[in-house]
Amino acid sequence: DAKTTQPPSMDCAEGRAANLPCNHSTISGNEYVYWYRQIHSQGPQYIIHGLKNNETNEMASLIITEDRKSSTLILPHATLRDTAVYYCIVAAYNTNAGKSTFGDGTTLTVKP
Amino acid sequence: NAGVTQTPKFRVLKTGQSMTLLCAQDMNHEYMYWYRQDPGMGLRLIHYSVGEGTTAKGEVPDGYNVSRLKKQNFLLGLESAAPSQTSVYFCASSYVGDPWDTQYFGPGTRLTVL
Repeated sequence: DAKTTQPPSMDCAEGRAANLPCNHSTISGNEYVYWYRQIHSQGPQYIIHGLKNNETNEMASLIITEDRKSSTLILPHATLRDTAVYYCIVAAYNTNAGKSTFGDGTTLTVKP
Repeated sequence: NAGVTQTPKFRVLKTGQSMTLLCAQDMNHEYMYWYRQDPGMGLRLIHYSVGEGTTAKGEVPDGYNVSRLKKQNFLLGLESAAPSQTSVYFCASSYVGDPWDTQYFGPGTRLTVL
């Protein structure tokens, strides 16, 4: 499975959009991009995933570049409760989840 | 519907002691996982199971054993605990079809080995 690279930390002002980047230059054609987040001391929580089209749900939007080598998770109006570690994971659909890893993620701090 | 539960929530062991962590899920998921998370680091997969009666090694399996005798339960054992195993342990479960789309996590077990 492809590896991902994320910045270790980012800050965002409350109410503003938080844009979290992820590089996955070795992604294969059948691999999806998944995003999870982990709020302090809790288990990780699924946010969103996509293949090549942009995706949006009630939590966030996912923008994937045309060459699929990078993506951006967007939290449109960040709140203090969005402070968490955000993980970008690349994995093929319907493959054993035991083959992919979380990595170290990006620590997002939302400031008042 | 409790989701994924873990027992115990906290535990302190002395070096060389043994213990078993229990993970239970009520979502009829086929896949189950055990991760560890050291301070300031991401999650690392210890062992996982793709169905009742099956187990497989993950990224950091040494020093741990697992069993999946029932579909809803996944046990993680430490036969002889070491200080290096001090960590937070998370259990997760997911469906077969798209495991990364549906991976649900438990609240974690905080283990300290003295």
